Amino acid sequence: SQQGEEDPQALSIQEGENATMNCSYKTSINNLQWYRQNSGRGLVHLILIRSNEREKHSGRLRVTLDTSKKSSSLLITASRAADTASYFCATDAASGYSTLTFGKGTMLLVSP
Amino acid sequence: EAQVTQNPRYLITVTGKKLTVTCSQNMNHEYMSWYRQDPGLGLRQIYYSMNVEVTDKGDVPEGYKVSRKEKRNFPLILESPSPNQTSLYFCASRWGHGTEAFFGQGTRLTVV
Repeated sequence: SQQGEEDPQALSIQEGENATMNCSYKTSINNLQWYRQNSGRGLVHLILIRSNEREKHSGRLRVTLDTSKKSSSLLITASRAADTASYFCATDAASGYSTLTFGKGTMLLVSP
Repeated sequence: EAQVTQNPRYLITVTGKKLTVTCSQNMNHEYMSWYRQDPGLGLRQIYYSMNVEVTDKGDVPEGYKVSRKEKRNFPLILESPSPNQTSLYFCASRWGHGTEAFFGQGTRLTVV
């Protein structure tokens, strides 16, 4: 069953603008991860945030996690055309169950 | 270089003709998974394995088989492919619960 649901489904912005994507999930988690996929290629891990963390940064990426609302957001600052891709959140259940469950993704288009 | 290798990358086959998609990882990861990706449905897990000889069903296991005889390999077998198995398939591996996943480049399968 799909745990994470990203919002919006698609986002179109200009280079230099910030892009924000949201992810909601249903059950308790150990951690939440964000991945990027360039058109039809393999997913690449971006960042992992644990359930006891509220915010994490990596370069131009900022991820927040609100476990009370069961939601996370991914902010990409100063977007570039090369950021054009699909972005997925994935959750690791709190119970130790091994599977990583993905959402349906947000398609980001950054225009020059 | 750490990587997950899938083969073939592209495959067109006919209904009912058995096929195997191979997956190999060189990172000594315990966990391996197979996902399928379809438009509008995101990534759905087919099967996963937590160790050699330990496999379990994911969300959409019907019509698929897997085996894990060696730690590095996790082949996906379609005994009698049908057109509804036309999809983009990804193999992924990771150390274990709470860690990031590494993905293969994908196998685009068409069943006619």
